[in-house]
Amino acid sequence: KQEVTQIPAALSVPEGENLVLNCSFTDSAIYNLQWFRQDPGKGLTSLLLIQSSQREQTSGRLNASLDKSSGRSTLYIAASQPGDSATYLCAVTSSGFGNEKLTFGTGTRLTIIP
Amino acid sequence: DAGVTQSPTHLIKTRGQQVTLRCSPKSGHDTVSWYQQALGQGPQFIFQYYEEEERQRGNFPDRFSGHQFPNYSSELNVNALLLGDSALYLCASSLMGAEGYTFGSGTRLTVV
Repeated sequence: KQEVTQIPAALSVPEGENLVLNCSFTDSAIYNLQWFRQDPGKGLTSLLLIQSSQREQTSGRLNASLDKSSGRSTLYIAASQPGDSATYLCAVTSSGFGNEKLTFGTGTRLTIIP
Repeated sequence: DAGVTQSPTHLIKTRGQQVTLRCSPKSGHDTVSWYQQALGQGPQFIFQYYEEEERQRGNFPDRFSGHQFPNYSSELNVNALLLGDSALYLCASSLMGAEGYTFGSGTRLTVV
């Protein structure tokens, strides 16, 4: 059974700092890994999707890396801003036949201090 | 282009009652998945509907059931509500065979 862990559960950093969020998964036989953002009481916004054959994906100030063999992914946020405050969730899918279920971690609650 | 629409946004029910939550997928999507997110936890997969049939199911009891209509919209039904069913229920739509999901804003269910 796939299990996804995110550490730390909460993180507070001053505005402008670069930061790294961590995600680990127990079964390396994944199809892809996604990072989502969730604002309080809201739905999920997809940030980055990494295929199992890829090592990283970038979008603006965000960079996600994937090391499938070690069961780890990191989300790097450059030059953090107060608007980045949210909960960040990683999720994996374990099959390539279209739209398989997502297995989520419990998230990291990020607070950027102005 | 409308995204995923869920209704209602908030709901309060009494233990033992039944509830129906609704989801309209993003235009062009044909698959709907439902997730339950308890406070402070990550979303847990309930089930997925495609071509009006349940295609996959997570570890949820039979009290949780669903339906997909010909226009791809979907309903989630929960019978005999328990206090532990209190959660944010998220709907995600996708196009079968393609990657990526679009999530709705969720329905906050409180069971008292």
